[in-house]
This record gives sequence, C-alpha cells and structure tokens, in this order.
Amino acid sequence: KNQVEQSPQSLIILEGKNCTLQCNYTVSPFSNLRWYKQDTGRGPVSLTIMTFSENTKSNGRYTATLDADTKQSSLHITASQLSDSASYICVVSALGGSYIPTFGRGTSLIVHP
Amino acid sequence: SQTIHQWPATLVQPVGSPLSLECTVEGTSNPNLYWYRQAAGRGLQLLFYSVGIGQISSEVPQNLSASRPQDRQFILSSKKLLLSDSGFYLCAWSGQGMGTGELFFGEGSRLTVL
Repeated sequence: KNQVEQSPQSLIILEGKNCTLQCNYTVSPFSNLRWYKQDTGRGPVSLTIMTFSENTKSNGRYTATLDADTKQSSLHITASQLSDSASYICVVSALGGSYIPTFGRGTSLIVHP
Repeated sequence: SQTIHQWPATLVQPVGSPLSLECTVEGTSNPNLYWYRQAAGRGLQLLFYSVGIGQISSEVPQNLSASRPQDRQFILSSKKLLLSDSGFYLCAWSGQGMGTGELFFGEGSRLTVL
C-alpha cells in the first residue's frame, strides 16, 4: 500500500531560524514528489517538484532534497519568516495506472516573532 | 492562464439538509478533477475524482456524491448532511493523464453542520 509519512507533526520556531521537515514514502513505482504549502483556510500550493534523478531543488528560501534509494525527502526552510507559518504537505505520485497521488498528513509549522 | 473557482466559501447547514458545492475550472480542457475533505487539524482525504464528463470514482463510502455535468464543472452533493460532514472541502484539478501532474486547488469551502 502506498503511504507517505511526515515528521514532525508540528513544529514551533523563532523567526529567522532554520528548520527541516521530513517525508518518508513507500509509493512505488516512483514518479515524483511534491511539497505543498497550505496557509490556514486556503488551498495548498506547490512549492517544489522532485523527480527520480533530482537530489536537490530550491525555491527561494525553500530547499527540497530527495534520496530515492532510502525513499526520503526533506524540506529545509532558511531564515524563517512569519509568513512561513503554514502546513507543509508531502505528496508522492506513482508511475502508470493511478490518477491519485498519495498525500502525507502534513507538518504544521508556526513561526513566532 | 488557468483558474479554479469554488463556492460557496462558507456555509452553515443543519443536520439532514442537502448540500451542493460547485467547482469550475477555466483556461484548460479535459482536466482531472478532485474533491478533497480536510477535517480540523487533519490531512486531506480524497473523496471523489473524475477523468472525464460523467466519469466519477469514489474513494470513501459516505453519504456524499459527485457529478461532472460539463468538462470543467465538478459538483459535490449530499441529500442529507451528517454532523461528521463538517470540514474544509477542496476542489482541485490536474492536467489530463495519469496523476503525476501538479494539483491546483481552489480556495476551499468551509462547511459546518449543526
């Protein structure tokens, strides 16, 4: 069964600090992995996409990594801002046969001033 | 550019009343369409998806139903709401083909059943 596990469930940091969110998956065969950001009361928005051959991808202060061998991904946020407070969701898609990506339950990040 | 509209944004309904949430996509054709529900503090749960007009797949047995009367219109309905139907409902679309593309979400509809 395809699964995506995220940790930690929630995280509180001070503004300006860095943090790293984790995602482990068992989706197979692997197609891609996306990190979404969901602000409270809004729909999720894609931050990054990682394919099998990619190890690292950045989007501003967000850097995603992928280890396809261990089936792990991380999202690193540098110099956090108050606007980074949100839920971060890891979503993994499989090759062929399914229209449904597998969602993690998300990590709730709160950035305090 | 593609846009997705979802309404109403907020609604409060009594138990046993009907429900209709509507979602439309503009700027693309033949999209895959999805309805998700998110309970407070929980992850997204896929309810229905559609790969074409009149083609609906249900992921979770419940008292909800979905319809796709037009290519870019997706409707979520219920004949009689339950308390457990409360939550944040999100419509999403992706490009035609298998589910490897990016999902684009609407702004959501917050339903409170009293």
